[in-house]
Amino acid sequence: EVQLLESGGGLVQPGGSLRLSCAASGFTFSSYAMSWVRQAPGKGLEWVSTISGSGGSTYFADSVKGHFTISRDNSKNTLYLQMNSLRAEDTAVYYCAKQSRTVTTRWFDYWGQGTLVTVSS
Amino acid sequence: SYVLTQPPSVSVAPGQTARITCGGNNIGSKSVHWYQQKPGQAPVLVVYDDSDRPSGIPERFSGSNSGNTATLTISRVEAGDEADYYCQVWDSSSDHPGVFGGGTKLTVL
Repeated sequence: EVQLLESGGGLVQPGGSLRLSCAASGFTFSSYAMSWVRQAPGKGLEWVSTISGSGGSTYFADSVKGHFTISRDNSKNTLYLQMNSLRAEDTAVYYCAKQSRTVTTRWFDYWGQGTLVTVSS
Repeated sequence: SYVLTQPPSVSVAPGQTARITCGGNNIGSKSVHWYQQKPGQAPVLVVYDDSDRPSGIPERFSGSNSGNTATLTISRVEAGDEADYYCQVWDSSSDHPGVFGGGTKLTVL
């Protein structure tokens, strides 16, 4: 059974930093790209970032480029999101999601339960 | 960047058919995926690659995609189908390829 368990959320002041983690189990972690998707309170889903299975390729939404970093430790089956220079608009539930793919497309087939990040003074 | 447009809300009576649209420029040339999200829960994949269903998703959920519109169709709607629904594409030609629609609230009357 695929399981994704996020941790690391909490209250942080504007300009501060936070690192989210996502512990994965139930599949061969290094074989799959992984992503972070966030949802601001009362709003829709927003794709944040994706990292390839090897960690060699990364993608970011324009809204977080330059102040978020995605990484993974395949020996620990864990995905990370390092969030720096946090702003109020980064307040959201952050979901970790496993990706599946074909040659032409990708989708998110399993999701964690989410971790809440609140940026406020 | 690529934009996906969904109606904010759709209402349907139990037992009827709900159709939720997702508009995008020549979206028929892309593969569309759909997610269901109930209040306080994580999203769940209900249709992928336009019209395929993951295991465990009822056959009542189906998808189609052509031209500038993709559609999620829910047949014989039940009260438990009330949720937010999101479409998604992966725009491989972009530096920021993950794209979600704004979401549609399905209300079962």
